[in-house]
Amino acid sequence: QVQFVQSGAEVKKSGASVKVSCKASGYTFISYAIHWVRQAPGQRLEWMGWINPGNGNTKYSQKFQDRVTITRDTSASTAYMELSSLRSEDTAVYYCTRVLITFGGYMDVWGKGTTVTVSS
Amino acid sequence: DIQMTQSPSTLSASVGDRVTITCRASQSISSWLAWYQQRPGKAPKFLIYKASTLESGVPSRFSGSGSGTEFTLTISSLQPDDFATYYCQQYHSYPYNFGQGTKLEIK
Repeated sequence: QVQFVQSGAEVKKSGASVKVSCKASGYTFISYAIHWVRQAPGQRLEWMGWINPGNGNTKYSQKFQDRVTITRDTSASTAYMELSSLRSEDTAVYYCTRVLITFGGYMDVWGKGTTVTVSS
Repeated sequence: DIQMTQSPSTLSASVGDRVTITCRASQSISSWLAWYQQRPGKAPKFLIYKASTLESGVPSRFSGSGSGTEFTLTISSLQPDDFATYYCQQYHSYPYNFGQGTKLEIK
């Protein structure tokens, strides 16, 4: 079955960086873009950006443009999201999800999420 | 950016009730709208795409409608499993914004 396995919870200091991984299985990795969405406690879902695993092209939300980097390792069917210059407002659950490249925009399968806690 | 606004923010209902959640976009998104269900501490679950197309395996008591700027998610007869938070998401243009969520509570 299609699934994503995300890396474990992280606790970081303000100003540090965090890198979250997302290993895909059960489908052809390059057929779907990997999107990252986060959710701060009690808040709405917030889209961060995506990567086309086939060619490595990325697109980021302007809100995170200067701090986020999404990469992939096609040999390992794994995508990564790195967020730098962390601040307390970045405390959230970070989800990876997929969107069909040829026709999509909706996110049909989600990882279980990775909790990132930023402390001062 | 396209802003998404849901109403109500909280909805109290009973098992067997028919409920409707509204999602409004700040500008036209045609039918490029999805709905998700999220239970506490869990990842979102995909329900509906293109405003009204049910994902495979989603119970038929769920339905979606609308186009342009106004959309609805209807649950025809609430089941105990349905008490959760529901989010709409536009995928007309980036950034792919979500609504603030509607929490469906047991009355």
